[in-house]
Amino acid sequence: GAGVSQSPSNKVTEKGKDVELRCDPISGHTALYWYRQSLGQGLEFLIYFQGNSAPDKSGLPSDRFSAERTGGSVSTLTIQRTQQEDSAVYLCASSSPGQIYNEQFFGPGTRLTVL
Amino acid sequence: AQSVTQPDIHITVSEGASLELRCNYSYGATPYLFWYVQSPGQGLQLLLKYFSGDTLVQGIKGFEAEFKRSQSSFNLRKPSVHWSDAAEYFCAVGPSGYSTLTFGKGTMLLVSP
Repeated sequence: GAGVSQSPSNKVTEKGKDVELRCDPISGHTALYWYRQSLGQGLEFLIYFQGNSAPDKSGLPSDRFSAERTGGSVSTLTIQRTQQEDSAVYLCASSSPGQIYNEQFFGPGTRLTVL
Repeated sequence: AQSVTQPDIHITVSEGASLELRCNYSYGATPYLFWYVQSPGQGLQLLLKYFSGDTLVQGIKGFEAEFKRSQSSFNLRKPSVHWSDAAEYFCAVGPSGYSTLTFGKGTMLLVSP
């Protein structure tokens, strides 16, 4: 597709359940980023993949959060044993090689609600 | 550590009036600076970016921003606001190449008739 896509667009789950959020980056983009957007908190970096390098996981808030990127393309963010404070919009972005600036293209996000 | 401050949580502007959204950053090296806009239910769209050269940069939708190193600021401006500009605006800073961006908490722009 032309842009970054994310699925599902909305996810409602019960506290304690696991969820998986998917991101399809723009074709050819080697860098992929996950951010979390909580109400009134701006965007919080979670994890970053670049090519075949080890991901930068420094933003993951707890060990309940993990992400993988298969084949250098699609990425899945997994949240285990969800808590109410995990409710937020999860945004994925990708960026292209050959740029001297770090323009990131964002998907529409997945709104996660934990009841 | 790098940081971005957007002092105004909400701003209301009359349609046709001028707009300035403030952004201050803290960064140890020459920053790459960005403004993004997020319409309700949408992802973030890049408005403009600065990484070198002319300190006044032009973006899409009639927006511009001025980089002032002495004030560590990168304020966003538009001479005449349209109702369709109502959205949330985020300022971000980052290094060159691949790396994460640090975002401000956003400014919600409301446009009154």
